[in-house]
Amino acid sequence: LAKTTQPISMDSYEGQEVNITCSHNNIATNDYITWYQQFPSQGPRFIIQGYKTKVTNEVASLFIPADRKSSTLSLPRVSLSDTAVYYCLVAGGGNTGKLIFGQGTTLQVKP
Amino acid sequence: GAVVSQHPSWVICKSGTSVKIECRSLDFQATTMFWYRQFPKQSLMLMATSNEGSKATYEQGVEKDKFLINHASLTLSTLTVTSAHPEDSSFYICSAPGVGTDTQYFGPGTRLTVL
Repeated sequence: LAKTTQPISMDSYEGQEVNITCSHNNIATNDYITWYQQFPSQGPRFIIQGYKTKVTNEVASLFIPADRKSSTLSLPRVSLSDTAVYYCLVAGGGNTGKLIFGQGTTLQVKP
Repeated sequence: GAVVSQHPSWVICKSGTSVKIECRSLDFQATTMFWYRQFPKQSLMLMATSNEGSKATYEQGVEKDKFLINHASLTLSTLTVTSAHPEDSSFYICSAPGVGTDTQYFGPGTRLTVL
């Protein structure tokens, strides 16, 4: 399973756009990139998933360069409720769904 | 999206007792489920893979006799913490893969406190 590296923490202010970058140099051809959000004392919540280029949904965008060795989660106009830990995971392609979590990025949104 | 539930959401028990935690996929079937443990301010650590109709697969360092996993149906996996001790106090989370996707759906977690 590909190892991921993310910043440990980030600070932002309400209304700003936040970009969290994740490195996954050993990503395999069949791997997808998935981002989860976790609030204290809750299970992780799926945010977005992509394979290449750009994916956008109602809550975030995911940018993946051509070499797929990194990805960037973009959260537009964050609010205080976006304060959480964000995990980048790389998996898929027949690994039976097993996920190995890295340390994640703790995002603190300030008023 | 797919929903995964856990029961109980929190439990307090005395040292030496056993505690069972249930994980259910509510609107889909899951032949495989996963159990994680999370200590305060740490990331999730994969404990084991629960396989419907067969033995669970445990990660290195996880005692299979202490953490008993049963996956008796396509919608239910249970984790039993046997002879629990204070060091087993943690947040236990299960997950199941969505049908036809590479996405894992997580339960809300179970907070176990062993006195």
